[in-house]
Amino acid sequence: DVKVTQSSRYLVKRTGEKVFLECVQDMDHENMFWYRQDPGLGLRLIYFSYDVKMKEKGDIPEGYSVSREKKERFSLILESASTNQTSMYLCASTSWGGARISTEAFFGQGTRLTVV
Amino acid sequence: ILNVEQSPQSLHVQEGDSTNFTCSFPSSNFYALHWYRWETAKSPEALFVMTLNGDEKKKGRISATLNTKEGYSYLYIKGSQPEDSATYLCAQKTSYDKVIFGPGTSLSVIP
Repeated sequence: DVKVTQSSRYLVKRTGEKVFLECVQDMDHENMFWYRQDPGLGLRLIYFSYDVKMKEKGDIPEGYSVSREKKERFSLILESASTNQTSMYLCASTSWGGARISTEAFFGQGTRLTVV
Repeated sequence: ILNVEQSPQSLHVQEGDSTNFTCSFPSSNFYALHWYRWETAKSPEALFVMTLNGDEKKKGRISATLNTKEGYSYLYIKGSQPEDSATYLCAQKTSYDKVIFGPGTSLSVIP
């Protein structure tokens, strides 16, 4: 059974704290993603990694950074948490598809982060 | 920014009704189109991955079509059931396997 696991289901942090959200996948997937989900806005891409140590900004990278030191692990870092980063965060992974092949994304269970 | 759009934003139907939603996307540099179902308190799960113009996929009562030339995909649900209540997301694969999602269509099926 394929698995994408996020380290926390619920998290409460204070404004200004450095926050780490961890995601691990056991499918040997090359690609990993971090999204945030807010009401009415769907899933918005924060960062994307297509290989170890490789990253690409998504649509809303401001205030976030990422780390991918190992293929199975992709970390999202909030350098200084702010209240507008209160949201549901979802990690996903896919295998490399090449130009005309595409494989489905597998998602973690989500982390609901509240910044107070 | 690559814009993937979905309509309607939300939909309420009676049990037994058939329904459909639309996903529109930029047709240039098309790679693939995904559909996902996202039920409350669960993770999104893939329904279909489509890559070719004219593709039609079916899974039980749910089917999808793809028109890459005009940049749209339709998702159809025949004979909606309460367990079909969920948010339906479409997503487009861009270069380097980046996957960009639309805002979703929230479906409520009333018993």
